[in-house]
Amino acid sequence: GQNIDQPTEMTATEGAIVQINCTYQTSGFNGLFWYQQHAGEAPTFLSYNVLDGLEEKGRFSSFLSRSKGYSYLLLKELQMKDSASYLCAAQDSNYQLIWGAGTKLIIKP
Amino acid sequence: SQTIHQWPATLVQPVGSPLSLECTVEGTSNPNLYWYRQAAGRGLQLLFYSVGIGQISSEVPQNLSASRPQDRQFILSSKKLLLSDSGFYLCAWSPGASGANVLTFGAGSRLTVL
Repeated sequence: GQNIDQPTEMTATEGAIVQINCTYQTSGFNGLFWYQQHAGEAPTFLSYNVLDGLEEKGRFSSFLSRSKGYSYLLLKELQMKDSASYLCAAQDSNYQLIWGAGTKLIIKP
Repeated sequence: SQTIHQWPATLVQPVGSPLSLECTVEGTSNPNLYWYRQAAGRGLQLLFYSVGIGQISSEVPQNLSASRPQDRQFILSSKKLLLSDSGFYLCAWSPGASGANVLTFGAGSRLTVL
């Protein structure tokens, strides 16, 4: 079957760095997405990886290893506004998205 | 630029009543359209998606239905709501079926069935 695993909740300190991991099993693979979702709001797109390696966008970076079925989202210089849920989603061979349950990130001052 | 509108934002409905949620997209043509549901603390569950007018694919058998009467309009309906239909409903669009199929979501509709 198809499956996405990511931690349910993580806590980090303002100004620090946090890495949110995601492992996936899909029927075929056409990319890995990360979305941010603040409480009570809709998800917004953060990143897309289809090739192995690291993609950097300002304070956020996303890494993909296709051979290991593994990705992570790295958040640097954490700010209080980064408190949100982070959703990992893999795109299968039919370009359908398989979603993880999300990781709730709590930032403490 | 493209925008997506979804309404109503919040609604409280009694069990057995009908439902209609509407979603429209502006600034693009022939988008892929999606309806998702998110239960509290859970991941996104794909309910329906559409690649064109009148073309609806259902992912989960249930008492909900979807229609796409126009290219950029997507409607989620129910004839008789159940308690289990409560949740956060999200409409989304994407530009196509290949490559980076990035979804852009509407603001969501929070449904409480009493």
